[in-house]
Amino acid sequence: DGGITQSPKYLFRKEGQNVTLSCEQNLNHDAMYWYRQDPGQGLRLIYYSQIVNDFQKGDIAEGYSVSREKKESFPLTVTSAQKNPTAFYLCASSISGSEQFFGPGTRLTVL
Amino acid sequence: GNSVTQMEGPVTLSEEAFLTINCTYTATGYPSLFWYVQYPGEGLQLLLKATKADDKGSNKGFEATYRKETTSFHLEKGSVQVSDSAVYFCALTFYNQGGKLIFGQGTELSVKP
Repeated sequence: DGGITQSPKYLFRKEGQNVTLSCEQNLNHDAMYWYRQDPGQGLRLIYYSQIVNDFQKGDIAEGYSVSREKKESFPLTVTSAQKNPTAFYLCASSISGSEQFFGPGTRLTVL
Repeated sequence: GNSVTQMEGPVTLSEEAFLTINCTYTATGYPSLFWYVQYPGEGLQLLLKATKADDKGSNKGFEATYRKETTSFHLEKGSVQVSDSAVYFCALTFYNQGGKLIFGQGTELSVKP
């Protein structure tokens, strides 16, 4: 089945640690996106990539980093510089010029 | 800048009631508009979309019409079911600007039997 997978579903991090969230798609989509969701709020864009080996900052990129070495994969690293990383993280992908499809999300909690 | 505003929730309805969730947008130009639905603990699913003025998107009994004159995209359903309980997000995008979605804050819907 084609789709977007995110792992892990739940992730716990100690303060000062970097963690990497996985996002993989087998839809052959060109574009991929990372969003952050906080309780009672809409989603905010962290980073996006329209082609391999290229990506752009979204509205809240500080404290995050990404890579796009393969079309299928767009991992997100939450660094220790991110002051308040506890949130629900959603990955999405799309064919350029078409609607986005979302993965199931990763819930990150800082202990 | 571009933005989306939704009516605040939570919205609580009885089964078979009529649903309206208001959504208005501010944008320079003519964006594409979407409604996404999120069930507890899950990602977002595309519910419907409209890409130009006067388009009506529809799916699973839900409808929304792209109104350029009022910059609105209100979500409606004639008869809600308990299974419609979820959070609904209105969003816009400009495909020539990377396809980034700009979301409203979401409206929680709770349908009681």
